[in-house]
Amino acid sequence: EPEVTQTPSHQVTQMGQEVILRCVPISNHLYFYWYRQILGQKVEFLVSFYNNEISEKSEIFDDQFSVERPDGSNFTLKIRSTKLEDSAMYFCASSEAGGLNTEAFFGQGTRLTVV
Amino acid sequence: GQNIDQPTEMTATEGAIVQINCTYQTSGFNGLFWYQQHAGEAPTFLSYNVLDGLEEKGRFSSFLSRSKGYSYLLLKELQMKDSASYLCAVNGRGSTLGRLYFGRGTQLTVWP
Repeated sequence: EPEVTQTPSHQVTQMGQEVILRCVPISNHLYFYWYRQILGQKVEFLVSFYNNEISEKSEIFDDQFSVERPDGSNFTLKIRSTKLEDSAMYFCASSEAGGLNTEAFFGQGTRLTVV
Repeated sequence: GQNIDQPTEMTATEGAIVQINCTYQTSGFNGLFWYQQHAGEAPTFLSYNVLDGLEEKGRFSSFLSRSKGYSYLLLKELQMKDSASYLCAVNGRGSTLGRLYFGRGTQLTVWP
């Protein structure tokens, strides 16, 4: 069964460092998303991406965040200068083109710990 | 703002039936999703409702009333493996690019 894969599964970084979280969406999907979940809190939308551009971003997705689809398979989330409060589980998701009944498939997540 | 409410915790015994409620207030509505999330894992899709009524899928059913801003997830013949967090999420825009607004999740514990 096709799945969304994310690497790494865990990342520990020092405050102020840059991190890149990587995702390989399901191959025939055209819509990509990043969500995050701070421990014990709800899943929060960060950004959606379609046709090589950001479709929508939340108030969390400030200038420290960026997304890129550098090739035909990867979708990355970059945090330029990490803060302690960026510590969370980051989920990548994708959905296939067309139709309203289109569920998002989530990857296993990257647990980011900023120290 | 967007508001999705669901109970924090529920418990039930194996073989029983449990109903997890969700109420929502969002700007725009393009469907309501239920996801299951085991600890430390990704949310996995369970059901989608966009029209009023009941959608049944095996042991799981989901109901929607758009006029009341209300949904529930019904789990029958509970099994130990159903112990997980159940997330109610609303698609707030009228397109497939609509962001999902999640509730805090309902932690269900199934006892033997």
